[in-house]
Amino acid sequence: AQSVTQLGSHVSVSEGALVLLRCNYSSSVPPYLFWYVQYPNQGLQLLLKYTSAATLVKGINGFEAEFKKSETSFHLTKPSAHMSDAAEYFCAVSEVGANSKLTFGKGITLSVRP
Amino acid sequence: EAGVVQSPRYKIIEKKQPVAFWCNPISGHNTLYWYLQNLGQGPELLIRYENEEAVDDSQLPKDRFSAERLKGVDSTLKIQPAELGDSAVYLCASSSGQPTDTQYFGPGTRLTVL
Repeated sequence: AQSVTQLGSHVSVSEGALVLLRCNYSSSVPPYLFWYVQYPNQGLQLLLKYTSAATLVKGINGFEAEFKKSETSFHLTKPSAHMSDAAEYFCAVSEVGANSKLTFGKGITLSVRP
Repeated sequence: EAGVVQSPRYKIIEKKQPVAFWCNPISGHNTLYWYLQNLGQGPELLIRYENEEAVDDSQLPKDRFSAERLKGVDSTLKIQPAELGDSAVYLCASSSGQPTDTQYFGPGTRLTVL
């Protein structure tokens, strides 16, 4: 069975600092991987996804993530945090060749300090 | 283009009462999902529809939960009777159904059971 691990529940950075949110997956074969963001009282919005093409994936709002098979990781980064990036971030996995079921991690809350 | 619409946004009921949530997916999306999101957790799939057929309801507690998607468009999720532990956010999402497709989420219904 697939699973996603997001270590830690809360990350705090200063405005302008690097954002790094970690995601590790467990799957028998390299899966499809997704990062979603959730703002308060809103649904989830896709930031980016890896679907077995380029391993470095660029998304919206300046975020990117790199798929590393050897490390079973798909960490999310942004070079310079903005106050508007404060939200909850979820990593999710979907099995290749199967149905479209997403398995989500527990999420990480990102705070941005002025 | 309109996104996924859910209603109501908030619902407060007493335990043992019935409750229903409604979802209207993005036009043309044949796959519809209902997720449960507990506080501080990632969404967990309850049921997935392809058109009007429930193709994955393995995580739906069938003793009290039911769902339908008549005509393969709108969907309703019902709980009867509600229990205290059902307090959570119920999210609806839709997609074109392929494993690499983006799932688009509605804003959710926040249920509080007293």
